[in-house]
Amino acid sequence: DVKVTQSSRYLVKRTGEKVFLECVQDMDHENMFWYRQDPGLGLRLIYFSYDVKMKEKGDIPEGYSVSREKKERFSLILESASTNQTSMYLCASRPTGGRVYGYTFGSGTRLTVV
Amino acid sequence: DAKTTQPPSMDCAEGRAANLPCNHSTISGNEYVYWYRQIHSQGPQYIIHGLKNNETNEMASLIITEDRKSSTLILPHATLRDTAVYYCIVRVMDSSYKLIFGSGTRLLVRP
Repeated sequence: DVKVTQSSRYLVKRTGEKVFLECVQDMDHENMFWYRQDPGLGLRLIYFSYDVKMKEKGDIPEGYSVSREKKERFSLILESASTNQTSMYLCASRPTGGRVYGYTFGSGTRLTVV
Repeated sequence: DAKTTQPPSMDCAEGRAANLPCNHSTISGNEYVYWYRQIHSQGPQYIIHGLKNNETNEMASLIITEDRKSSTLILPHATLRDTAVYYCIVRVMDSSYKLIFGSGTRLLVRP
């Protein structure tokens, strides 16, 4: 089974800290995504990557950056955490190809910024 | 991506079939129907997808009407662990990298 692993389930950080959220997938998927999920707002795409060292902005990239140095790993970085970045963060991966595949999501990281 | 409409909540008894409907009357010919679910405090989980024909896998069955304007996800023998929010999504494969979830249906499986 495809597995997407997020390094932490729960995190508490202070305002202004630099925060790293790590995501690793084990099925050689080309595409990886970072979403955040907030009540009433659904899933919102922050960044995605379709290849190593490639990245594209999603709908809400402000305050975030990403890194993809290896195919299996996609990191989300909060440059200077703020309270409005308190949220559930979800990483997902998906292969590219002729077949229609669904996304595989990690279990999520619930980040609280105090 | 076409808009979908789902009932906000449903319930069913454990061991019985759960039938979750979804309306997608503006679906285009090249759009697929996907179903995901999200168990509390976990990431969404892919369940099944289809284009025209009915589909079945180890998790569920997907019934798509002939005009493709609606579909039903069937969990044949619901268990307590199937309690989750179920999302019906209609999209063209690779049309964009965004996966847009609506409000979904909150399914409660009763003991």
